[in-house]
Amino acid sequence: QVQLQESGPGLVKPSQTLSLTCTVSGDSISSGSYYWTWIRQPAGEGLEWIGRISNSGNTNYNPSLKSRVTISVDTSKNQFSLKLSSMTAADTAVYYCARQGKDIGAADIRAGAFDIWGQGTMVTVS
Amino acid sequence: QSALTQPPSASGSPGQSVTISCTGTSSDVGGYNYVSWYQQHPGKVPKLMIYEVSKRPSGVPDRFSGSKSGNTASLAVSGLQAEDEAVYYCSSYAGSKTYVFGTGTKVTVL
Repeated sequence: QVQLQESGPGLVKPSQTLSLTCTVSGDSISSGSYYWTWIRQPAGEGLEWIGRISNSGNTNYNPSLKSRVTISVDTSKNQFSLKLSSMTAADTAVYYCARQGKDIGAADIRAGAFDIWGQGTMVTVS
Repeated sequence: QSALTQPPSASGSPGQSVTISCTGTSSDVGGYNYVSWYQQHPGKVPKLMIYEVSKRPSGVPDRFSGSKSGNTASLAVSGLQAEDEAVYYCSSYAGSKTYVFGTGTKVTVL
């Protein structure tokens, strides 16, 4: 059973950098069949795709956040991480990590879909 | 990159059907078949309901179905049940290796 778990501080001061880690269990980040993604959701609002990373370290970011976002991967620890700089109150949200299927023609891979999510971690900027 | 447009709310009585739209552009929904749908109950984690426009993951009831026409994708829920009351989000590939979510639709079972 694949599980993802976010960890990191729940409170960040304005202008500081948020650092979150997602630990994956039950699957290997190195498998190459998935992207590893960060998504956030402000209270009472919708979902926002932040960005993703592949097992080889290739990253893609939301253009609106690109200047402030860095996603990295540590395959030895089966973890991937998010850094978001210059935090403001507008960045207050629940942050989710999620697994996204690659389009590799495999019947058991849900291409383009976020099929496994972490429980989410609330981050407040204050 | 703008959020995909969904109606804020939809409703139906138990046993009835409801359809939710997700409108984008030719640069996202209309241009690719990577449209997926998520169900989110209050305080819970989003759950994948439909992927690649119309495919259902195992364990998702066949009461849920997806389709696409032009720049608009749709999620249909037939035989509405109380547990279907939730917020539903669509998502689409938006080109340049980026993704975008919809604004969300709250489905109420009357």
